[in-house]
Amino acid sequence: GAVVSQHPSRVICKSGTSVKIECRSLDFQATTMFWYRQFPKQSLMLMATSNEGSKATYEQGVEKDKFLINHASLTLSTLTVTSAHPEDSSFYICSARALAVAYEQYFGPGTRLTVT
Amino acid sequence: AQSVTQPDIHITVSEGASLELRCNYSYGATPYLFWYVQSPGQGLQLLLKYFSGDTLVQGIKGFEAEFKRSQSSFNLRKPSVHWSDAAEYFCAVGANSGYALNFGKGTSLLVTP
Repeated sequence: GAVVSQHPSRVICKSGTSVKIECRSLDFQATTMFWYRQFPKQSLMLMATSNEGSKATYEQGVEKDKFLINHASLTLSTLTVTSAHPEDSSFYICSARALAVAYEQYFGPGTRLTVT
Repeated sequence: AQSVTQPDIHITVSEGASLELRCNYSYGATPYLFWYVQSPGQGLQLLLKYFSGDTLVQGIKGFEAEFKRSQSSFNLRKPSVHWSDAAEYFCAVGANSGYALNFGKGTSLLVTP
């Protein structure tokens, strides 16, 4: 089956620094990837939609200058949390929409970000 | 706008007992409906999905769900729960399978011996 990986799985960074999270579709091409955020004991909330070769579309309330998304290829999207603060600590999950296979989308395993 | 409601935040069942997790959705057209399971600290695993056709959908791990348009529901069921089923369950709706999903708040399942 289709596999989506995320790297790193866990990251701890100091307040004020930036951290980059990668989302890769390993065995299929994905024109679209989605980034979700999940706070502890809460549901997943869509942050942004990432389309290969174009600017990401952000959901209302998500700061585009803080959460930089780059979808440079059909298999890679990156989320960079800039000037991270403790309130950015969360579980970040990406999903990738396949070009073929009836527009299925597949979820990555998530990245746990802790900002100290 | 799409929305998903999972009325039960927590459910506790005994091992071997049957399980039903409720999900109600609000969507103007025919929705694409999904159930995912998430173990602590892990990503999402798709249990089953409904796009069209037979309203009773079979999934992995012995789960099934029934789409009832008249009730705007997509409840998840399992006839006999195993201790390993303890996890967080999310119902989700999308315009189609390839669009971003709108998730319910989740139901936490606890399985007792």
